[in-house]
Amino acid sequence: AQKITQTQPGMFVQEKEAVTLDCTYDTSDPSYGLFWYKQPSSGEMIFLIYQGSYDQQNATEGRYSLNFQKARKSANLVISASQLGDSAMYFCAMRFTGGGNKLTFGTGTQLKVEL
Amino acid sequence: GAGVSQTPSNKVTEKGKYVELRCDPISGHTALYWYRQSLGQGPEFLIYFQGTGAADDSGLPNDRFFAVRPEGSVSTLKIQRTERGDSAVYLCASSIGQGSEQFFGPGTRLTVL
Repeated sequence: AQKITQTQPGMFVQEKEAVTLDCTYDTSDPSYGLFWYKQPSSGEMIFLIYQGSYDQQNATEGRYSLNFQKARKSANLVISASQLGDSAMYFCAMRFTGGGNKLTFGTGTQLKVEL
Repeated sequence: GAGVSQTPSNKVTEKGKYVELRCDPISGHTALYWYRQSLGQGPEFLIYFQGTGAADDSGLPNDRFFAVRPEGSVSTLKIQRTERGDSAVYLCASSIGQGSEQFFGPGTRLTVL
């Protein structure tokens, strides 16, 4: 069965530092998509970044980059130059070709950016 | 509006009552999804519409849950005979097509007393 694992329930980082949020996945499907979403206390899920399983290069979007290691089945999110507004819950999610169009989410990591 | 909207933002009901939750997707988005997020968990898939039809309803927990999208735009999630375990945030998302990025609404927080 497909599964997403986020092993860090909470993380702290100092403002302006970089932080890595871990995500591992388990699937036998060769074609899949990986997503990261941010959920502030307001509750809305905000799309951050996407990586396809066949993409040759790691995805980047501004201060967000995805460290995709296919052989290790990991898709860690790197946030550079952290800002106070980055404090939120972060979810890793996957879309499996064999699972239709639905997203399967991990349990999330609560990130706190400190001065 | 520019984004996905959901109403009501909060709903408190008593055990056994019927509730309807509404989702208004981004204009032009043909795909619509419902997820349920329990406290401390990630969202869990409930149902996915492509146009008016439910393309995948494998996540609906039981037959008390039902969703419709009669005109291919607004969707309503209906829960009959609510139970305390139904308490959660119900999230709606839409995408321009199958396989595209999903944009989420702010959710409806349902509390069943």
